[in-house]
Amino acid sequence: AQTVTQSQPEMSVQEAETVTLSCTYDTSENNYYLFWYKQPPSRQMILVIRQEAYKQQNATENRFSVNFQKAAKSFSLKISDSQLGDTAMYFCAFMNRDDKIIFGKGTRLHILP
Amino acid sequence: KAGVTQTPRYLIKTRGQQVTLSCSPISGHRSVSWYQQTPGQGLQFLFEYFSETQRNKGNFPGRFSGRQFSNSRSEMNVSTLELGDSALYLCASSLGTYNDNSPLHFGNGTRLTVT
Repeated sequence: AQTVTQSQPEMSVQEAETVTLSCTYDTSENNYYLFWYKQPPSRQMILVIRQEAYKQQNATENRFSVNFQKAAKSFSLKISDSQLGDTAMYFCAFMNRDDKIIFGKGTRLHILP
Repeated sequence: KAGVTQTPRYLIKTRGQQVTLSCSPISGHRSVSWYQQTPGQGLQFLFEYFSETQRNKGNFPGRFSGRQFSNSRSEMNVSTLELGDSALYLCASSLGTYNDNSPLHFGNGTRLTVT
């Protein structure tokens, strides 16, 4: 069975600093998708970044980038130049080819002024 | 406690038709949010209802609408269906108050196929 693990329940960093959120997963599949979602206080899941497992190049979206290590089954999210608006819960998610999506338990990120 | 229930589980419609999907949240949960999930694309937020009012909305066209009833059950309607609307539609419920730390609970989804 696939699992997603986020080992950091909560993190705090100063505004403008860089922060990395960890995510590891377990699967026997070779083709799958990985996502990071942001959940602000308003509760909806907002897609931050998406990675296709067959692509070796790490995905990047503006200040957000990932370090995808397929062999190690690791998918960390790096937020550069962090902003107060980045304060939220962040969920790592795995989706297989059958569209079954599995979420980690989340990391609560606080950006401090 | 029963989980989030979505009906129907599967739907097949033709282009131009409309469809209504239903979501019953966990008892006591006042927030229901809807997501579209397409192959490999992950979740895309549609809208969220809290106490019968739409509180947040994603970037979907007006063909996608919803409502919430006094018992917190929610329906989503898609009019003038297009082939690209084929997707898994997920609903999630939560207590709904901001920063309440309660997790989202997802239903099993309704798989809509438009032909």
